Amino acid sequence: GEDVEQSLFLSVREGDSSVINCTYTDSSSTYLYWYKQEPGAGLQLLTYIFSNMDMKQDQRLTVLLNKKDKHLSLRIADTQTGDSAIYFCAERSYNNNDMRFGAGTRLTVKP
Amino acid sequence: DAMVIQNPRYQVTQFGKPVTLSCSQTLNHNVMYWYQQKSSQAPKLLFHYYDKDFNNEADTPDNFQSRRPNTSFCFLDIRSPGLGDAAMYLCATSRGLGDQPQHFGDGTRLSIL
Repeated sequence: GEDVEQSLFLSVREGDSSVINCTYTDSSSTYLYWYKQEPGAGLQLLTYIFSNMDMKQDQRLTVLLNKKDKHLSLRIADTQTGDSAIYFCAERSYNNNDMRFGAGTRLTVKP
Repeated sequence: DAMVIQNPRYQVTQFGKPVTLSCSQTLNHNVMYWYQQKSSQAPKLLFHYYDKDFNNEADTPDNFQSRRPNTSFCFLDIRSPGLGDAAMYLCATSRGLGDQPQHFGDGTRLSIL
């Protein structure tokens, strides 16, 4: 089946930028999402990008999409301790009901 | 304000004793989903409803069923829970299929004794 892959762990210092990477294999992927999950909670939609876009910026968050390489990244500027969570990359094609998730990247922010 | 609400947040049941998890939404979305998420894993889609049309994933065990009596509510029924069914169960909604992002509730953590 089609896969979505992420590195499992990322550790940064407070105030630094975090970059979480994701790769996917489905060339028909049309929509790509980033979700945040804090301990014991559900998934919070952070941002999403359509495949006809290269970049999307929303306050401290910047999403970059390289469609040729099927690579998606989420950059968090000025990372705070409250950003510590698991970040899931997910992708979906237009005619597919199934949203395919990566395994999640656990971001740890050290003071 | 919470828009996808799951009750209860924590549920404990006995091995083999039927259990029902509840989800409600205030978004008036057409689609409601149930996911199972085990520790340190990605959510796994069990099924979804588009309005009243039920869509089961091929690998969802028969032990899992769902009901959607109206637009706002959707239930997950586990007929005979086994130890392997202990997990976080996430409900999500979307306005439609395709391009619409999914909005998740906070989940119900199910424990099996």
